[in-house]
Amino acid sequence: DIQLTQSPSSLSAHVGDRVTITCRASQSISSSLNWYQQKPGKAPKLLIYVASILQSGVPSRFSGSGSGTDFTLTISSLQPEDSATYYCQQSYSPPQVTFGQGTKLEIK
Amino acid sequence: QVQLQESGPGLVKPSETLSLTCSVSGGSISSFYWSWIRQPPGEGLEWIGYIYDSGDTNYNPSLKSRVTISMDTSKNHFSLKLTSVTAADTAVYYCARSLGRYCSGGGCLPKNFDYWGQGTLVTVSS
Repeated sequence: DIQLTQSPSSLSAHVGDRVTITCRASQSISSSLNWYQQKPGKAPKLLIYVASILQSGVPSRFSGSGSGTDFTLTISSLQPEDSATYYCQQSYSPPQVTFGQGTKLEIK
Repeated sequence: QVQLQESGPGLVKPSETLSLTCSVSGGSISSFYWSWIRQPPGEGLEWIGYIYDSGDTNYNPSLKSRVTISMDTSKNHFSLKLTSVTAADTAVYYCARSLGRYCSGGGCLPKNFDYWGQGTLVTVSS
């Protein structure tokens, strides 16, 4: 099974900072990597799909890149409402959909 | 706007069967892929399985022996049954929609999840 490892597990940054979260797959998944944002008590929200395509309605400060085994989610200018846990997810390779362990982002 | 709503008992006894339903409004359940995903308190996300309106299903191998996902297109809802539950099955259970799927020799999986229900906490306890 493909494992997804996110780094860091948690981070703290200031409003206006550029923030990058990394997701590494245990084997190549082409560009089949998605990113979600989850706030406490809420369902996850799709941010980015196929590694770099912004979901409709998601602010343009979010962007994604990567292919193969290494992927990044970048927030270009951090806003207070971006405080959340972020997950990567793949479904390229059976037998199952897998998620990364999550990255908790806090605002200083 | 598509909306998903999970419903079912919030408390299930050990060894019994967990049963949940996801009601879909604002669009047809047909021609999409519908999944169940769970999240134990304070932990990450685990995909349980999916169904397509042809009745095609695929399940997480770690849960496959205990899981059944079914669909009722006339009621525009789909359901989850998880048998022989233990405390390890305590989690928030989400239903979610996918527009497409990837298929390979090992089977098919939903691509990503664009709409989610709000989630429902199911506690397994006597």
